[in-house]
Amino acid sequence: DAGVTQSPTHLIKTRGQQVTLRCSPKSGHDTVSWYQQALGQGPQFIFQYYEEEERQRGNFPDRFSGHQFPNYSSELNVNALLLGDSALYLCASSLGRDNSPLHFGNGTRLTVT
Amino acid sequence: AQSVTQLGSHVSVSEGALVLLRCNYSSSVPPYLFWYVQYPNQGLQLLLKYTTGATLVKGINGFEAEFKKSETSFHLTKPSAHMSDAAEYFCAVNGGSYIPTFGRGTSLIVHP
Repeated sequence: DAGVTQSPTHLIKTRGQQVTLRCSPKSGHDTVSWYQQALGQGPQFIFQYYEEEERQRGNFPDRFSGHQFPNYSSELNVNALLLGDSALYLCASSLGRDNSPLHFGNGTRLTVT
Repeated sequence: AQSVTQLGSHVSVSEGALVLLRCNYSSSVPPYLFWYVQYPNQGLQLLLKYTTGATLVKGINGFEAEFKKSETSFHLTKPSAHMSDAAEYFCAVNGGSYIPTFGRGTSLIVHP
């Protein structure tokens, strides 16, 4: 039973560029959430997708956008990258709209230079 | 509104000693509470969760946590630390928004 997979594992971009991160949820899960984890901090909620729609959004600018596909996989897009966007980006999947625990992938380490 | 405060960014114990990681929460409704562990270069893994019912919750790897409503606390304990327990630990609260809020984490250091 495959868990949550994320790609790529590492990425280096230049300020102003755009990046796309990808996530495949755990088998049987239909909800995908994205988190940003800065060094030495806890995960900060970016947004959550369910039934291909953004269901909730955290306090992140519109430069951060996403998408969920019919197979429940998801993408996170970040435009006009800033140095401060350097972080570990975590994808987490869960089942339905309830308080079921999140299952996390190993993350994508984004470095903006 | 919901929030989590983890007291102590670093906790250092000797192998075999008691582990106590502190977590206090704020929630306007009865909360769901979670502890997650993160090993280097990995994502977060669920240790245990409290939803309703018994206030003492047992998790994986010998960890347990007790929900104390009067103290708004959900501290994580383990009777005897092992070297493999060295990791970052995160407490999270879900107060009805279906989106958990995470604390800043506590780094557990285990000395031989």
